[in-house]
Amino acid sequence: AQKITQTQPGMFVQEKEAVTLDCTYDTSDQSYGLFWYKQPSSGEMIFLIYQGSYDEQNATEGRYSLNFQKARKSANLVISASQLGDSAMYFCASRTASKLTFGTGTRLQVTL
Amino acid sequence: GAVVSQHPSRVICKSGTSVKIECRSLDFQATTMFWYRQFPKQSLMLMATSNEGSKATYEQGVEKDKFLINHASLTLSTLTVTSAHPEDSSFYICSARVGGVGIRETQYFGPGTRLLVL
Repeated sequence: AQKITQTQPGMFVQEKEAVTLDCTYDTSDQSYGLFWYKQPSSGEMIFLIYQGSYDEQNATEGRYSLNFQKARKSANLVISASQLGDSAMYFCASRTASKLTFGTGTRLQVTL
Repeated sequence: GAVVSQHPSRVICKSGTSVKIECRSLDFQATTMFWYRQFPKQSLMLMATSNEGSKATYEQGVEKDKFLINHASLTLSTLTVTSAHPEDSSFYICSARVGGVGIRETQYFGPGTRLLVL
């Protein structure tokens, strides 16, 4: 069974600053994928970034980067140069061959 | 990215009635779609995996006779909540598998459907 832990229920960051959202995972599988999704108040789940368990380099997508530390089983999301539009819920998820398992989410609020 | 639509976006119904929610892949074919449920301030929980042309695979604890899933074409999956009750009120969201194989596959989500059962 997979388990995703997001220990930060809420985070604040000032506009233009960087922020790190924590995620740890627990899986016995050797091969797995890690994802981050953004859910604004409208409810839609927006795919942000993906990291494979065998990928040697940390994934990056524009202002998003994933700090993958396999030995610590962590996959933190770093958002650089925060924007007001980044305010949303952020979910970390993992998948083995079977299904996608989500964490409980972190609500990010970007302030002026 | 791939576009997934859902209809309706919001529905209010009386207890005991059935509600059908549609999930469509707009610009690609999806042999596999997924249905999730999200209660307020909680995470997404997978309800079932919908496979085109075959029976859906339900997660443990999800009543297949209550949540009927039909994946009749490569671009459409439907979820029917039968004899809905107030406890079925939730946010239902679908996703479609896009590209890759196994762990590299990415899921794109629809905008979700808010169901309120009175």
